[in-house]
Amino acid sequence: GQQLNQSPQSMFIQEGEDVSMNCTSSSIFNTWLWYKQDPGEGPVLLIALYKAGELTSNGRLTAQFGITRKDSFLNISASIPSDVGIYFCAGHRNSGNTPLVFGKGTRLSVIA
Amino acid sequence: GAVVSQHPSWVICKSGTSVKIECRSLDFQATTMFWYRQFPKQSLMLMATSNEGSKATYEQGVEKDKFLINHASLTLSTLTVTSAHPEDSSFYICSARGGFGETQYFGPGTRLLVL
Repeated sequence: GQQLNQSPQSMFIQEGEDVSMNCTSSSIFNTWLWYKQDPGEGPVLLIALYKAGELTSNGRLTAQFGITRKDSFLNISASIPSDVGIYFCAGHRNSGNTPLVFGKGTRLSVIA
Repeated sequence: GAVVSQHPSWVICKSGTSVKIECRSLDFQATTMFWYRQFPKQSLMLMATSNEGSKATYEQGVEKDKFLINHASLTLSTLTVTSAHPEDSSFYICSARGGFGETQYFGPGTRLLVL
């Protein structure tokens, strides 16, 4: 079942604005992953984080693995219309061989 | 990144028939594959985990006799929805992982509509 709290649930922003979303958990996670899902498609990996404190960028996207290992955030800078979609955080708990646990997603809408 | 394919991308079937969905890892060997279903505007719900050559592990509430999973090779897993009913209509997504702790990559999904 879902054990990640992802917020916000949805966002409406103007093109060019920066976006921030985050995930928290009551349990420690060893890996944090951020995916984007377009309608009718499977999730596509955006950023993978493997160490506490790690800050990783992928173009206009930046994500961090919280020091406590119980949270992560994703920032999108200078949003564009194609950023529209649902963003999911996901993580592995202590054992790296366990299935991913998903957040409920953040639905992003960008107004041109 | 690693590529995972699914086939078919969508299927419409009559109630009572069985439907098979294939999931393939195209450029890596997937020691573990996962099957998810997703209802509209909801997150992914894990159905089962399968390791190559062994029986799948099903999540609580998922009927193993209804959702048959076969992971016969390191690049192919299949999900068969047996005696499908309208409530089985959903978006089914597979995911593959190459090894211990490695990143999961997702297929494009299969939309199933049972009439």
